[in-house]
Amino acid sequence: GQNIDQPTEMTATEGAIVQINCTYQTSGFNGLFWYQQHAGEAPTFLSYNVLDGLEEKGRFSSFLSRSKGYSYLLLKELQMKDSASYLCAVMDSNYQLIWGAGTKLIIKP
Amino acid sequence: ETGVTQTPRHLVMGMTNKKSLKCEQHLGHNAMYWYKQSAKKPLELMFVYNFKEQTENNSVPSRFSPECPNSSHLFLHLHTLQPEDSALYLCASSPQVAPTDTQYFGPGTRLTVL
Repeated sequence: GQNIDQPTEMTATEGAIVQINCTYQTSGFNGLFWYQQHAGEAPTFLSYNVLDGLEEKGRFSSFLSRSKGYSYLLLKELQMKDSASYLCAVMDSNYQLIWGAGTKLIIKP
Repeated sequence: ETGVTQTPRHLVMGMTNKKSLKCEQHLGHNAMYWYKQSAKKPLELMFVYNFKEQTENNSVPSRFSPECPNSSHLFLHLHTLQPEDSALYLCASSPQVAPTDTQYFGPGTRLTVL
């Protein structure tokens, strides 16, 4: 079966760094996406990785290791507005997105 | 604002009612999707339309009926729903159904079935 695992909840302090991990087992791989979803709002696109390595975009970076079936999202200089759920999704061989249940990130002052 | 709108934002219905959810995208995309999001569960893909043709139906019960009259509009017709169908229903669109095409989501319809 297809499976995406990520922690249910994480807590971090304003100004700090947090890493949200995602492991996956899917039938085929056509890239991995990270989305941010604030409570009651639409998921919004953060990053896309299809090759191994680190992609940096401002305060957010995303890493992929295809051989390990592993990705992480790194958030630096945390701000209170970063409190949200972070969703990991893998595009499988049928071009369908397989989603994790999301990681709720709580930022404390 | 992602360019994808959904109406209504909230809906409460009884099990014998018939209602419809509407999604509209202003991005010029050719693929549209319906997802179900339940608390603490992964998003579940329900239906996919690519160039107005339904390409996926992920074993969704027949009490959910999609309609895609054109590439900009997507409907989800609901009838005789069950309380376990209460969830957030998200619409998304992308340029096409392709590996690098990012999906853009609407804000969702929060559905409660009594």
